[in-house]
Amino acid sequence: AQSVTQLGSHVSVSEGALVLLRCNYSSSVPPYLFWYVQYPNQGLQLLLKYTSAATLVKGINGFEAEFKKSETSFHLTKPSAHMSDAAEYFCAVSESRQGGKLIFGQGTELSVKP
Amino acid sequence: GAGVSQSPSNKVTEKGKDVELRCDPISGHTALYWYRQSLGQGLEFLIYFQGNSAPDKSGLPSDRFSAERTGGSVSTLTIQRTQQEDSAVYLCASSLAGASNQPQHFGDGTRLSIL
Repeated sequence: AQSVTQLGSHVSVSEGALVLLRCNYSSSVPPYLFWYVQYPNQGLQLLLKYTSAATLVKGINGFEAEFKKSETSFHLTKPSAHMSDAAEYFCAVSESRQGGKLIFGQGTELSVKP
Repeated sequence: GAGVSQSPSNKVTEKGKDVELRCDPISGHTALYWYRQSLGQGLEFLIYFQGNSAPDKSGLPSDRFSAERTGGSVSTLTIQRTQQEDSAVYLCASSLAGASNQPQHFGDGTRLSIL
């Protein structure tokens, strides 16, 4: 069965610093991978997705992620954090045989200090 | 354009009562998903509808939970005889097709509190 592990339930960075949120997956078949962001009292918003095309995926708000099969990782990065990036981030996997249902990691809360 | 709409946004009810949560997906989206978000369990898949196919109910935690989707559009998630552990945010999502590479679009959720 597939699974997702997000390392670090809480990450704190200074404004302007690099953001790195870690995600490792387990899947028996080539996975589709997603990063979602959740602001307080809102649903999830798609940041980016990997669906077996380019391994470096660019998303909204300056975020990007790199799929590394050898490391079973899909870490999310942003070169320079902004205060508005403070939110909870979820990594998710969907296997091609599972009809699209998502398996989520536990989430990482990102805090941005001025 | 209109996104996924869920109602009510908040629901407080007494233990033992039945509740119905509604989801109105994006027009034209054939796939609809329900997830539950709770402090202890994170985000969990509950049920998935795709067109006229039989739903995937593999994530429903007990037989107190059921869902239907009428006319391939609006969906209702029903919880019977609610328990305190049912307190959570229930999120609905829809996608253009039920393919694994399609992004899902989420509503803002229904926050359910069981007293």
